[in-house]
Amino acid sequence: NAGVTQTPKFQVLKTGQSMTLQCAQDMNHEYMSWYRQDPGMGLRLIHYSVGAGITDQGEVPNGYNVSRSTTEDFPLRLLSAAPSQTSVYFCASSYSRLGGYEQYFGPGTRLTVT
Amino acid sequence: GENVEQHPSTLSVQEGDSAVIKCTYSDSASNYFPWYKQELGKRPQLIIDIRSNVGEKKDQRIAVTLNKTAKHFSLHITETQPEDSAVYFCAANKAPTGTASKLTFGTGTRLQVTL
Repeated sequence: NAGVTQTPKFQVLKTGQSMTLQCAQDMNHEYMSWYRQDPGMGLRLIHYSVGAGITDQGEVPNGYNVSRSTTEDFPLRLLSAAPSQTSVYFCASSYSRLGGYEQYFGPGTRLTVT
Repeated sequence: GENVEQHPSTLSVQEGDSAVIKCTYSDSASNYFPWYKQELGKRPQLIIDIRSNVGEKKDQRIAVTLNKTAKHFSLHITETQPEDSAVYFCAANKAPTGTASKLTFGTGTRLQVTL
């Protein structure tokens, strides 16, 4: 199993550009989520999905869109990048939609918006 | 929503000493508390977790204690080694009664183990 994979590893965008961060898992996990990690602020939940076709907002959803057309994939779209979106982005998956189950993190994408 | 506070933000200990990291949470309905370790440039990885029906859990040199009345939980690392140097995050979640997992993380503790 590859686990949770993310592409790209690094990305530089100019303000106003759009892009999609890719996330895939091969563990048949029900639950997938996106976090951003900023210095001194821990990990904050952006969006999450409890199954194919079902998504919901987390703590910091503004400026991001998600969709979940398959169990395996959960892409994160930045519609119009802003410098405030400079961060490290982690995708995670978990066996169950319910809490209490380990979340497995991908390797992360380091995004810089100039 | 849930709020998790974590202290200290940095911690330096000598090899072989113990390290303690403390977290408090605000939502009394939270009942699942994982701890993640993140090495520099790497992804967070679960090292131990505890549910609210137990007060303490131990796994070799790592232990977690939970005080539901005071709404705080702590990570204890004994006989620290240089490879324990990393950033540690606590988190809180309602489980399994919550409709979906929404982990709230603390802001992290950078642990440095010196020789």
